[in-house]
Order: sequence, then structure tokens, then C-alpha cells
Amino acid sequence: AQKVTQAQTEISVVEKEDVTLDCVYETRDTTYYLFWYKQPPSGELVFLIRRNSFDEQNEISGRYSWNFQKSTSSFNFTITASQVVDSAVYFCALSEGVRAAGNKLTFGGGTRVLVKP
Amino acid sequence: DAGVTQSPTHLIKTRGQQVTLRCSPKSGHDTVSWYQQALGQGPQFIFQYYEEEERQRGNFPDRFSGHQFPNYSSELNVNALLLGDSALYLCASSRAGYSNQPQHFGDGTRLSIL
Repeated sequence: AQKVTQAQTEISVVEKEDVTLDCVYETRDTTYYLFWYKQPPSGELVFLIRRNSFDEQNEISGRYSWNFQKSTSSFNFTITASQVVDSAVYFCALSEGVRAAGNKLTFGGGTRVLVKP
Repeated sequence: DAGVTQSPTHLIKTRGQQVTLRCSPKSGHDTVSWYQQALGQGPQFIFQYYEEEERQRGNFPDRFSGHQFPNYSSELNVNALLLGDSALYLCASSRAGYSNQPQHFGDGTRLSIL
């Protein structure tokens, strides 16, 4: 069975500080996909980044970067130079395998990020 | 390009009643998944519809049922409502055959059971 754990329930920072969100996953599949979503107070889940299990290259996209390590089953996400608009709940999600109709997502419990001005 | 749309945005029901939630997928998407998000928790997968059939199902009782129409839109039905069914219900759409692509979510329907 697949499982996603986000140990941090809430993080509070001052604007311009960096924020790193931890995510640990469990899966028996060799092919899987990892995602980070942001959920502002409005409720909609907004896709941020994706990583495939066969590509461990870490990347930077604007103020977002991620560190994917298969050896420790971790997929951590960093927001550089945080802004007040980054305040939201962030979810790490996992989908396993390859299905014709697509995969279900298994979410972690979320980490609430509060960026203070 | 319209994204995922859900209706209604809010709903109040009493225990024992039945409810129907609706979802229209993003243009170009043919698969719809439903998730339940209780307050302070991550979304939980309910089921997924593709080609008008339920393809995958999470750990939810059969009080939860759904339907997909030929235009790919979908409904989620919940019978015999319980207090514990109070949650945000999220619909997500995707395109079959593209498992590595992210699902796109709607704003959700907030269901309150009194």
C-alpha cells in the first residue's frame, strides 16, 4: 500500500526566509510519480511540481526547488525568499504505476505555511 | 480554457438525506476522480471514472456512488448522510494515458451535515 507522511504540521516564517517542507513516501512500485500541491484558503488544489521515480535530478523552478532522494524515500520542497502570498497548506502526493485511466493520488496530511510580513 | 468546475459550492444537509455533487472536467480531459477532504486533513481518494465506468475505488462504503456522462462530466452521490460525511469534496480531472501528468482540481463543494 502507498503512504505519504508530512511530519511538519505547521511552519511559521518571516517574509524572505526560505521554507523547506519534508515529505516521506512508501510504495512497492518501481514506477511512481510525486507531486506537490498548494491549497490556499479558497480550497482549490494548485499543482506546483512533479517528479518521476526514474529521474532523481533535482531542479529549480523560479522560487521553488525540490530534493528527490530514492534511497531515503524523500521528496522535499523548498520555497526560496518566501512571500506572504505563499501562505497556504502544502500537500505532497504520490501516484503509483501506470494505468490506462490514470492513477489515484495518495496525499500526505499537509503542512500549513504561514509567512508573516 | 475553462478549468474544472464544481457545483454547488456549499451545501447543508441533515442526517439521513441524500446529496448529489457535480463536476465538469477541464477541456481535453476524459477522466474524473473524486476526493473527500475532512477539516485539517489531506484529501482521500473516493473513486475514479473513465469511459463512463468506475475504474478505481478507495476505502469508502457503497453509500458513495457516482456516474460519468458521455460529455465526461461526473456526479458524486452520497446516500444516508452521516455527520462524518461533512467535508470538502474535490473533483479532479486528467487525461487517460498520461499517468505522469498532474490532476487538475476544482474549487470543491463544502458539504455540512447537521
